[in-house]
Amino acid sequence: AQKITQTQPGMFVQEKEAVTLDCTYDTSDQSYGLFWYKQPSSGEMIFLIYQGSYDEQNATEGRYSLNFQKARKSANLVISASQLGDSAMYFCAMREGFQGGSEKLVFGKGTKLTVNP
Amino acid sequence: DVKVTQSSRYLVKRTGEKVFLECVQDMDHENMFWYRQDPGLGLRLIYFSYDVKMKEKGDIPEGYSVSREKKERFSLILESASTNQTSMYLCASSALGPAIRNTEAFFGQGTRLTVV
Repeated sequence: AQKITQTQPGMFVQEKEAVTLDCTYDTSDQSYGLFWYKQPSSGEMIFLIYQGSYDEQNATEGRYSLNFQKARKSANLVISASQLGDSAMYFCAMREGFQGGSEKLVFGKGTKLTVNP
Repeated sequence: DVKVTQSSRYLVKRTGEKVFLECVQDMDHENMFWYRQDPGLGLRLIYFSYDVKMKEKGDIPEGYSVSREKKERFSLILESASTNQTSMYLCASSALGPAIRNTEAFFGQGTRLTVV
């Protein structure tokens, strides 16, 4: 079963508007972390934002915020005031404990965001 | 400046060859990961490791093996390369958790492997 589900293969947004990228996750752990990464066409992976499973407040980093709804197991990324440079692939990821002290980090299939001028 | 370095940016190999992809990190991270990235499939976890000589299978380990003899180095091995292993391979590292602590993963620049 998919651990991370991103249901939007592609999204379009007008410059200066806000956009929400969806992410749902599946885990039976109580302790886990959720991440969003951006991958521009250059291919590098850029860390955007993190939310821990025990964090009561939604995480924010500049124009990025994470809408964390634990009961629904969703961790949507909200980008406010979109810019042309936000056009990229966006990946949601989850880290959880694994056997013997190791930690597994798994990603979704990604959402391609296009910002139109 | 933190760094994860993959030994090659582009590789072309023949079917049946043994292929080594090397990854080195300079951040003293415990965790290291290998992924392959294919269009429409996102990043799929092949193997991961949290300590020297420790390894765990990810979601798609078939046809791959790994080696971690030193903390800073994590190698991905294709024992007998096949055309369906043509892909972008990404290595990442992170500090050890717990998972509720923000220990972001840092990525290498990727190796685009073509098997002909």
